[in-house]
Amino acid sequence: NAGVTQTPKFRVLKTGQSMTLLCAQDMNHEYMYWYRQDPGMGLRLIHYSVGEGTTAKGEVPDGYNVSRLKKQNFLLGLESAAPSQTSVYFCASSFYGNQPQHFGDGTRLSIL
Amino acid sequence: SQKIEQNSEALNIQEGKTATLTCNYTNYSPAYLQWYRQDPGRGPVFLLLIRENEKEKRKERLKVTFDTTLKQSLFHITASQPADSATYLCALSGYSTLTFGKGTMLLVSP
Repeated sequence: NAGVTQTPKFRVLKTGQSMTLLCAQDMNHEYMYWYRQDPGMGLRLIHYSVGEGTTAKGEVPDGYNVSRLKKQNFLLGLESAAPSQTSVYFCASSFYGNQPQHFGDGTRLSIL
Repeated sequence: SQKIEQNSEALNIQEGKTATLTCNYTNYSPAYLQWYRQDPGRGPVFLLLIRENEKEKRKERLKVTFDTTLKQSLFHITASQPADSATYLCALSGYSTLTFGKGTMLLVSP
C-alpha cells in the first residue's frame, strides 16, 4: 500500500520550460490537493479536486494548471516555469474535504 | 483576512518534559482543527483532529484542546522524547480545504 506517490522527487528546469508533476494515490480518495511549501510561508494550496474530472483554484493558482482525468491521479503543470516557482511541491489526498489528508514526500523543483 | 498563528521560534525542551504548542486564529470559524507532524524532507503526517464541539482529544502521549471562544488550540506532548523533534503544523478545516499555519519546530534534547 503506497499511499500517495509523487513523481519526480527532484527536478531542475530552466526559465520558460514546462513540466508536469504527477501524483498518484491508491486509497480511493475523492479529494486531491497540490500545495507548495516555501521557507517562512508554510503550505499554500495551489489547486484541488473534489472528484474525478473536477478542479478548483486554491490560494496561489497563477502559473499552474491541473487535471484529474482519473480518480487516482492528479497532475500539476507548469506552463512556462519562472524562478519564483522554485519550491517544494506536495500532493495530498483525503476522503472528504474536512478529513485528514495524506501527503506524499514532495517534489523539489528548482528553476534557474 | 483569515490568519493562523503558530510560534515561529523553535521550542526547546528536555526529554521527559511536556511540550505545549499553540495555534491561534482570527477571522475564521472552523468546524474542525487538525494537527500534523512534518520531518525534514518529508510530507506532513496527520496526528489528531478535533471538532468545534469537542474541548479536548487524546491519543497516547498527545493531547489537543480547542477553545472556539479564545480561537486557540493547544497541542501537548507529554513525556517528550528526542524522536518527537519535528515541525508541528495546525490546520483549520473549511468545507473542501485546509488552511495550514506555518508550523512550530520542536527540539527535544536528551
